[in-house]
Amino acid sequence: AQSVTQPDIHITVSEGASLELRCNYSYGATPYLFWYVQSPGQGLQLLLKYFSGDTLVQGIKGFEAEFKRSQSSFNLRKPSVHWSDAAEYFCAVGATRSYNTDKLIFGTGTRLQVFP
Amino acid sequence: GAGVSQSPSNKVTEKGKDVELRCDPISGHTALYWYRQSLGQGLEFLIYFQGNSAPDKSGLPSDRFSAERTGGSVSTLTIQRTQQEDSAVYLCASSFGQRNSPLHFGNGTRLTVT
Repeated sequence: AQSVTQPDIHITVSEGASLELRCNYSYGATPYLFWYVQSPGQGLQLLLKYFSGDTLVQGIKGFEAEFKRSQSSFNLRKPSVHWSDAAEYFCAVGATRSYNTDKLIFGTGTRLQVFP
Repeated sequence: GAGVSQSPSNKVTEKGKDVELRCDPISGHTALYWYRQSLGQGLEFLIYFQGNSAPDKSGLPSDRFSAERTGGSVSTLTIQRTQQEDSAVYLCASSFGQRNSPLHFGNGTRLTVT
């Protein structure tokens, strides 16, 4: 069965520092992968997605993620964090069994705290 | 409306009562999802509707939970005989139902069972 693991429950970084949020997935076929962000009091927003092709994908707000099949990972990165990036981040995996979207399985999330 | 609308935004109910949560998806979206978000549990998949296909109910935690989608649009999630462990934020999302279609989430309904 599909599953997603986000090993870091809570991460704290200083503003301007680099960031990497870890995500590992389990799925037998080619996955499609997403990162969503949930800011305080707001709904979930898509940051970026990977289906195929270039394994380094760019998203909104200066985020990027790299798909590494050999490590079953899809880590999210940002070179310089801003205070407004403080939020909860969710990695999600879906199936590519058919043309239609399947349900997405989400990780438990990583809460990012940014210090000035 | 421009986004996914959920109502009510907050619901407090007594243990044992039934509740109904409503979701209005984005017009034209064929896929609709319900998720539950509990503290420290991430997003737990509940049910998925896609067009006229039979819904994927594999995530519903018990037979007290049910959902329907009328006319391929509005969806209602019903929880019967609520228990305290049902307290959570219930999120609805919709999409165009294609592989490259992102999910658009509503702001959720916060359910508190006392």
